[in-house]
Amino acid sequence: GENVEQHPSTLSVQEGDSAVIKCTYSDSASNYFPWYKQELGKGPQLIIDIRSNVGEKKDQRIAVTLNKTAKHFSLHITETQPEDSAVYFCAAPNQAGTALIFGKGTTLSVSS
Amino acid sequence: NAGVTQTPKFQVLKTGQSMTLQCAQDMNHNSMYWYRQDPGMGLRLIYYSASEGTTDKGEVPNGYNVSRLNKREFSLRLESAAPSQTSVYFCASSGRQVVTEAFFGQGTRLTVV
Repeated sequence: GENVEQHPSTLSVQEGDSAVIKCTYSDSASNYFPWYKQELGKGPQLIIDIRSNVGEKKDQRIAVTLNKTAKHFSLHITETQPEDSAVYFCAAPNQAGTALIFGKGTTLSVSS
Repeated sequence: NAGVTQTPKFQVLKTGQSMTLQCAQDMNHNSMYWYRQDPGMGLRLIYYSASEGTTDKGEVPNGYNVSRLNKREFSLRLESAAPSQTSVYFCASSGRQVVTEAFFGQGTRLTVV
């Protein structure tokens, strides 16, 4: 089945810096790669996703890049702000394409 | 719209007790999921239901059972709770059988003593 590895597990940056979180997946047939943000005490919420026919997608300060050959995708946050502090999860579909398998998460801390 | 609603929000059980976690969604979604979240382990899929009337095992199904009661409701049952099942449980739903954006509930924090 699908295996999703996420790095780093923790990331600390200064306000205004960029943050990059990377994930690798094992199933070359996977075609959908979302990123979720989880704030303290809440459920995860989708912030951006990308499909396998696209190499990069941007939404204001966040972007996701996909390298299908290497089977990895990354989340990029520019001009970080304290409110970006949260746990971020990447995910990929299971083998049947019917559920999401998540990475172990990255705790991002943005200090002002 | 309430989205995905989970009950209860908090629960303490004694080892060996049973309980059912309830989940309901009001988005007319086909697929529903149960995940558990543990420190350092991320979100792990317990069971899911790709459509009304079907259920499938996820990554960590042992010790759990599920029921897709109707299109709106998907419950998770612990028949004999163990301390290893202490966790935060999240229910989620998705609009299609082929996975797209999943919407999560607020979670149930379960402690088994």
